[in-house]
Amino acid sequence: GESVGLHLPTLSVQEGDNSIINCAYSNSASDYFIWYKQESGKGPQFIIDIRSNMDKRQGQRVTVLLNKTVKHLSLQIAATQPGDSAVYFCAENINNAGNMLTFGGGTRLMVKP
Amino acid sequence: ETGVTQSPTHLIKTRGQQVTLRCSSQSGHNTVSWYQQALGQGPQFIFQYYREEENGRGNFPPRFSGLQFPNYSSELNVNALELDDSALYLCASSSGGVKQETQYFGPGTRLLVL
Repeated sequence: GESVGLHLPTLSVQEGDNSIINCAYSNSASDYFIWYKQESGKGPQFIIDIRSNMDKRQGQRVTVLLNKTVKHLSLQIAATQPGDSAVYFCAENINNAGNMLTFGGGTRLMVKP
Repeated sequence: ETGVTQSPTHLIKTRGQQVTLRCSSQSGHNTVSWYQQALGQGPQFIFQYYREEENGRGNFPPRFSGLQFPNYSSELNVNALELDDSALYLCASSSGGVKQETQYFGPGTRLLVL
């Protein structure tokens, strides 16, 4: 079936560098996308979202890019900090399917001091 | 912290037993969704409750059932527990009902089935 997937299971970056976490989705009907951060022993924490009528959205130190042509989503984290170390999930939603989220398998971000 | 609370935090059951997990939604949120997260995987949608009725269901058998109360809190019930039911159970609340609104997750209940 169609699902959200990620290219890299583990990403290791140096503190202060920028991080880019990628996500591919296959359901062309998806029109709402969300990035969550999950630290060990905790529930997913909302980071940023984007709707399909946008290509880019910025938050505090984070930017989400959406390329609908190739069905690709990315999360950019500027000046990565040790507190950013976690598993990051992208999730997608289809408007006429209620508010059900379909999650990918996750990418672990490790920040080296 | 999101304001979504879940209880208990941890639970150990044996195969065949029944379990009830509880979730209190964030203030002002009327919709609760439940997800199952197996170790090392992303959350999988179980079902969603809006106005005390089930509003969407994922690929889970009928032994997974739920309730939503007038104060918008919710319960997840699992009957005839199987070993594969061992997972982190997450609830998420939102304010949009059937609309696309941000879902905020609780800390989860970790269930171990022996």
